[in-house]
Amino acid sequence: GESVGLHLPTLSVQEGDNSIINCAYSNSASDYFIWYKQESGKGPQFIIDIRSNMDKRQGQRVTVLLNKTVKHLSLQIAATQPGDSAVYFCAESPGGNKLVFGAGTILRVKS
Amino acid sequence: NAGVMQNPRHLVRRRGQEARLRCSPMKGHSHVYWYRQLPEEGLKFMVYLQKENIIDESGMPKERFSAEFPKEGPSILRIQQVVRGDSAAYFCASSPGTGQYEQYFGPGTRLTVT
Repeated sequence: GESVGLHLPTLSVQEGDNSIINCAYSNSASDYFIWYKQESGKGPQFIIDIRSNMDKRQGQRVTVLLNKTVKHLSLQIAATQPGDSAVYFCAESPGGNKLVFGAGTILRVKS
Repeated sequence: NAGVMQNPRHLVRRRGQEARLRCSPMKGHSHVYWYRQLPEEGLKFMVYLQKENIIDESGMPKERFSAEFPKEGPSILRIQQVVRGDSAAYFCASSPGTGQYEQYFGPGTRLTVT
């Protein structure tokens, strides 16, 4: 079946350090992946996406890495700030436009 | 440039009543998606619509739930005869069109069934 899972439910990092959030996906047919950030009481906010024909994509302070061989996705946040504290979801598109979300990782940034 | 709009933001219904949730997509977006989120869980896909068409409703419960996206006006998610298990946050997302997969989410409607 379709499932996207995360290895670590909670990640605590010191302000200024780099954060790495990992995600495993199960559907090898998925061709598109997105990372979302969700703050308490708000909707998911698009962070960065990557298509299956790429293995790395960079944005502002964020990098997404895709390893199709082991069906693994990661989000790297450079110089983590208190405002980065949120729940982070990876999502995959197995086809047909719908997204399959993982359970989420809580990122806590310590000042 | 307004984002995805949802209303109401909070909705309280008693068991057996009907809930109607509205979603206006981003300007220029013709594709709408509804997701449900239970506390401390990820979002679960419910339905994908284009104007006047349901494209994929594989995530919709078979009974009591329906969705529409009319030619004019917002998309509506309708839940009839609500039960306590329907209590959740319901999010709407929109995307520009086929082949452009990025979905932008609204702030959600938090439904509480008492």
